[in-house]
Amino acid sequence: EIVLTQSPGTLSLSPGERATLSCRASQSVISSYFTWYQQKPGQPPRLLIHTTSNRATGIPDRFSGTGSGTDFTLTISRLEPEDFAVYYCQQFSSSPWTFGQGTRVEIK
Amino acid sequence: EVQLVQSGAEVKKPGESLTISCQASGYNFFTHWMSWLRQMPGKGLEWMGRINPTDSSTDYSPSFQGHVTISTDNSITTAYLQWTSLKASDTAIYYCATGITGWLYWGQGTLVTVSS
Repeated sequence: EIVLTQSPGTLSLSPGERATLSCRASQSVISSYFTWYQQKPGQPPRLLIHTTSNRATGIPDRFSGTGSGTDFTLTISRLEPEDFAVYYCQQFSSSPWTFGQGTRVEIK
Repeated sequence: EVQLVQSGAEVKKPGESLTISCQASGYNFFTHWMSWLRQMPGKGLEWMGRINPTDSSTDYSPSFQGHVTISTDNSITTAYLQWTSLKASDTAIYYCATGITGWLYWGQGTLVTVSS
């Protein structure tokens, strides 16, 4: 099973700041099968980034994804109030599909 | 518009059986595998398994294999998640989700509470 480790666990930032979220895999992940999700309280997750670097439909361009192999990054260039949420990385390169434990982005 | 509409919240006792549902609309049900995911209270997301509506083939996470069953009724474009004997540790929100390069479409979630 591929273990995904996200860091940091919590990111305390102010609106307008840049957020950099990291996800490290225990073994190499095929880039086509790597995604990021955003989840707000009481809501299902929302797909942000698929295939490592492609924004899902309707996702603003302040969200970007990069990475390859075992190291992946989600960047939010300028935090908007609605971006404060929990973010999960996820792989479906190898079954069972797995998620990271999540990074909470909170208002400083 | 693609919609996944899940059945309502359930309260069950340990040992009881349960089936929850996810009705899909707005897309060709046969073109996308349907997955089920679990989120325990205050915790992260876990993939449980998936089903191909075309041939009913399934793929389960080892963590859930043998404890749940995923099925579909293609005539009503509905997927199901079934337990034969619930445990208190099954208390969670369960989501159905589908998509191709990721889970673009999600149900609203079904809260299952198992308590004696």
